[in-house]
Amino acid sequence: QSALTQPASVSGSLGQSITISCTGTGSDVGGYNYVSWYQQHPGKAPKLMIYDVDKRPSGVSSRFSASKSGNTASLTISGLQAEDEADYYCTSYTSSNVVFGGGTEVTV
Amino acid sequence: EVQLVESGGGLVKPGGSLRLSCAASGFTFSSYSMNWVRQAPGKGLEWVSSITSSSTYIYYSDSVKGRFTISRDNAKNSLYLQMNSLRAEDTAVYYCASFASPPQWGQGTLVTVSS
Repeated sequence: QSALTQPASVSGSLGQSITISCTGTGSDVGGYNYVSWYQQHPGKAPKLMIYDVDKRPSGVSSRFSASKSGNTASLTISGLQAEDEADYYCTSYTSSNVVFGGGTEVTV
Repeated sequence: EVQLVESGGGLVKPGGSLRLSCAASGFTFSSYSMNWVRQAPGKGLEWVSSITSSSTYIYYSDSVKGRFTISRDNAKNSLYLQMNSLRAEDTAVYYCASFASPPQWGQGTLVTVSS
């Protein structure tokens, strides 16, 4: 069982918006502003999409946005595109390590 | 440009040993904590171990404690993972990663434990 809880799957139609939740505790998500989100296509390494709760690395589409409230972080993908179909993982810093969510399969 | 390049993966028999390396460049390696993260086939991401910048603090997941040893050589900008008593369930792609801002990951190296 993963330390952070994500829905196993989320689906949406082209052009729609979807939101993936990531629920932890006050010792991880709620305690630090170090939540990151990764996109992973089959056979590929994880790609950083969001870091420090809501920052986008250079080159990541502005269709990806994120936020945090209490112990739950959220990733929103707006204007869903076919290439967004992938697995998404959240992660959070803790005092001694990092913890991951179990991953969410996004289907377009 | 930040680069993390893992090496040392391969096929090993159960009970065997393997040493992974991660060569870092493009940032001040000695200033950052580093981590190993793994992903078993068809499974999610799992944190394995972390080491602080001066190796003062080291942490392991329960699944590898007592079998794996993380270390670093700041003079060589390198991170290591010595893996002993390997089991089939250790089969995974192993990534070295920095969770600084922004986080940086390597492309991974595959470790297969099988007879």
